[in-house]
Amino acid sequence: GAVVSQHPSWVICKSGTSVKIECRSLDFQATTMFWYRQFPKQSLMLMATSNEGSKATYEQGVEKDKFLINHASLTLSTLTVTSAHPEDSSFYICSARDIGGRVNGNTIYFGEGSWLTVV
Amino acid sequence: GNSVTQMEGPVTLSEEAFLTINCTYTATGYPSLFWYVQYPGEGLQLLLKATKADDKGSNKGFEATYRKETTSFHLEKGSVQVSDSAVYFCALSTDKLIFGTGTRLQVFP
Repeated sequence: GAVVSQHPSWVICKSGTSVKIECRSLDFQATTMFWYRQFPKQSLMLMATSNEGSKATYEQGVEKDKFLINHASLTLSTLTVTSAHPEDSSFYICSARDIGGRVNGNTIYFGEGSWLTVV
Repeated sequence: GNSVTQMEGPVTLSEEAFLTINCTYTATGYPSLFWYVQYPGEGLQLLLKATKADDKGSNKGFEATYRKETTSFHLEKGSVQVSDSAVYFCALSTDKLIFGTGTRLQVFP
């Protein structure tokens, strides 16, 4: 079946530095990818919709300048957490939708997630 | 707007017990409905889905039926196992995937 890969699986960075997380669709092309954030024992919060070749669409309350999203190709989207702070520590999950499907009825596949710890 | 409401957990069961996790939704149009499962320390895996009214999704002994009249998509399993312990998320899809808050299931031997 379709596979979405995230890298790195976990990362520790110092406060004030930036960290990049990659999301790749391995066996299909994805014009649209989604980035979620999950706090411990809570649900997933949609951060932004990443569109290939155009700017990402951010959800209300999500800082565009802090969470930079780039969707440079049909198989790769990146999330860069800039000037990270301890409160950015979280589990970040991406998902991807197959280029060929309709919106409704399409199955969205998830990456394995990336644990970010800012110290 | 679109939303998903799940029963609060944790749900604690003994092995081989019957499981029901309630999920109701509010949506315009005709969304697709999903159940995802998250095992400890892992990402999400699709468990089952239904794309139109009266469809039944099933996988690994789990079932859920898309009920438009009650706007529900309850998850059921006849006999749970310890390995089913996880967090279960109900979700709907229109232009994006919207999740419920998740329900933690704990199954004891």
